Amino acid sequence: QLQLQESGPGLVKPSETLSLTCTVSGGSISTRNYYWGWIRQPPGKGLEWIGNIYYSGNTYYNPSLKSRVTISVDTSNNHFSLKLGSVTAADTAMYYCARLPQVDWYFDLWGRGALVSVSS
Amino acid sequence: DIQMTQSPSSLSASVGDRVTITCRASQGIGTFLAWYQQKPGKVPNLLIYGASTVQSGVPSRFSGSASGTHFTLIISSLHPEDVATYYCQQYSSAPVTFGQGTRLEIK
Repeated sequence: QLQLQESGPGLVKPSETLSLTCTVSGGSISTRNYYWGWIRQPPGKGLEWIGNIYYSGNTYYNPSLKSRVTISVDTSNNHFSLKLGSVTAADTAMYYCARLPQVDWYFDLWGRGALVSVSS
Repeated sequence: DIQMTQSPSSLSASVGDRVTITCRASQGIGTFLAWYQQKPGKVPNLLIYGASTVQSGVPSRFSGSASGTHFTLIISSLHPEDVATYYCQQYSSAPVTFGQGTRLEIK
């Protein structure tokens, strides 16, 4: 059964770069049928799409974050990663990785989430 | 960006009640709409996609419908375990966007 698991530091200093990895287990990330994405949720608030990546490396980002976001994929290690630069307290959130069908961009499988706090 | 507006923001209903949650898109999105359930402290879970297709494993009391830019999530008979926040999401065009959520409680 396919599973996704986020990992990375839970605390990041303001102005630094947030880095998370999503490891895919129970299946290959190199599938034509799916994209892989990141969504975040500030404490007590709603959901915000960050961006998606295809196994080939094609990426799509939310314009509101595009200048600070990089998503990459490592097919040999079956994981994909998120980097968000110049973070502020407003970037404090639960960060989820998820799977999206290649044709329709809804999120049909989610990781458990990683809480990242931005604080000095 | 396409704005998704959910109503109500919160509601309280009794076990066995029929519950309706509405989502309105700021422009046409066809049926490119999904619904998610997020129980307290848990991960969002896909309930419905394509506005009305129920995801495998989701109880049959959940259904969805569409009329123009208005979308509805219906719980035919409320169960205690349905306490959650429900989100709609459009995927007609990027950036995909979510509604602000509807918190459902048991009366």
